[in-house]
Amino acid sequence: DGGITQSPKYLFRKEGQNVTLSCEQNLNHDAMYWYRQDPGQGLRLIYYSQIVNDFQKGDIAEGYSVSREKKESFPLTVTSAQKNPTAFYLCASSRTGAGETQYFGPGTRLLVL
Amino acid sequence: AQRVTQPEKLLSVFKGAPVELKCNYSYSGSPELFWYVQYSRQRLQLLLRHISRESIKGFTADLNKGETSFHLKKPFAQEEDSAMYYCALYPRETSGSRLTFGEGTQLTVNP
Repeated sequence: DGGITQSPKYLFRKEGQNVTLSCEQNLNHDAMYWYRQDPGQGLRLIYYSQIVNDFQKGDIAEGYSVSREKKESFPLTVTSAQKNPTAFYLCASSRTGAGETQYFGPGTRLLVL
Repeated sequence: AQRVTQPEKLLSVFKGAPVELKCNYSYSGSPELFWYVQYSRQRLQLLLRHISRESIKGFTADLNKGETSFHLKKPFAQEEDSAMYYCALYPRETSGSRLTFGEGTQLTVNP
């Protein structure tokens, strides 16, 4: 373990509120990813970034936003536009691209109050 | 677009029995395939990738391009193999692309 940290472990969101999930890595990896994990649906890609100051939408980007101002950090904001945010969110990184081994964080569980 | 299908959401076997977790894919090019595993209260982690042709924890997986499958096999299952298993595909011909994961199979090995 170690290498990729996510915080908080649990996060509660009120209606209409934006919340930000933190993801930090000290592996010197260029690429970082955000996935959403729902039972029976596997992992779905929200956003990914292959280099600082650049990121691309994944399959389910609506209602989410990201930034990549530093190589080590890739925070995810769940906006009020995301109507079904309750899920387990996983951050991952890889040395360069997605074809390499991805290393995952411990996850953040987001719940709606 | 590529797609990965794991037809079994749940799979239950007894300790010592052989186990096979199925993974089928659709992709017209030459894929790179992976198996990731998530044990209870642990992080998702790579189990094996087809390009390395390794056997990890007794598991093997062979890429069958004719049947477009990458099934994960172990001849004698152990209780500690109980976990969620995900198959994933990377399309090598598409630059800047990303992994596509299957829906996952929850394996339970009973004593």
